[in-house]
Amino acid sequence: GDSVTQMEGPVTLSEEAFLTINCTYTATGYPSLFWYVQYPGEGLQLLLKATKADDKGSNKGFEATYRKETTSFHLEKGSVQVSDSAVYFCALMDSSYKLIFGSGTRLLVRP
Amino acid sequence: NAGVTQTPKFRVLKTGQSMTLLCAQDMNHEYMYWYRQDPGMGLRLIHYSVGEGTTAKGEVPDGYNVSRLKKQNFLLGLESAAPSQTSVYFCASSPLGGRYNEQFFGPGTRLTVL
Repeated sequence: GDSVTQMEGPVTLSEEAFLTINCTYTATGYPSLFWYVQYPGEGLQLLLKATKADDKGSNKGFEATYRKETTSFHLEKGSVQVSDSAVYFCALMDSSYKLIFGSGTRLLVRP
Repeated sequence: NAGVTQTPKFRVLKTGQSMTLLCAQDMNHEYMYWYRQDPGMGLRLIHYSVGEGTTAKGEVPDGYNVSRLKKQNFLLGLESAAPSQTSVYFCASSPLGGRYNEQFFGPGTRLTVL
């Protein structure tokens, strides 16, 4: 079945460092891909999405490019802030329009 | 516009007790979902609904029942709670199915079964 694999955390960075969180997927067809963010004590919020190969999703300085050839959707940000500390989930939408989530990656940004 | 709300926020049950979790959305969304979140496992779909009066099983439906009597509400029931159901439960809704549609999540319910 469809699945999403994320790098294990926690990822600890200093403020203004470059961030990469790896995400790869296994799916039939060409699913839509998503990154969701969960701040402490809150529900998930959509961060960005891409619906076809080579699409780049972007929001709040975060970017991710849909790479069909490597089945990847890595999340990047050029300069992280303390306020970016959260858990990040990569997800795909399967052929039945249900979301399949990765296990999540916790990011901790230190001042 | 409250979005997706969940009641209660926290609950402690004893093994064998029953309870109902309520999810409400005010965005007139057709689709609603119940997930559970466990450490290191991401979110897993329990049940979902594609419209008023419909329900369907997700990845981990055993031990749970759901009802969607009104479009804006989606109830998750535990008939006889077990410690394995200790988790954080999230409700979500989306306008329709389809590859472009974002799901909007509630704040979660933390359930502990002793």
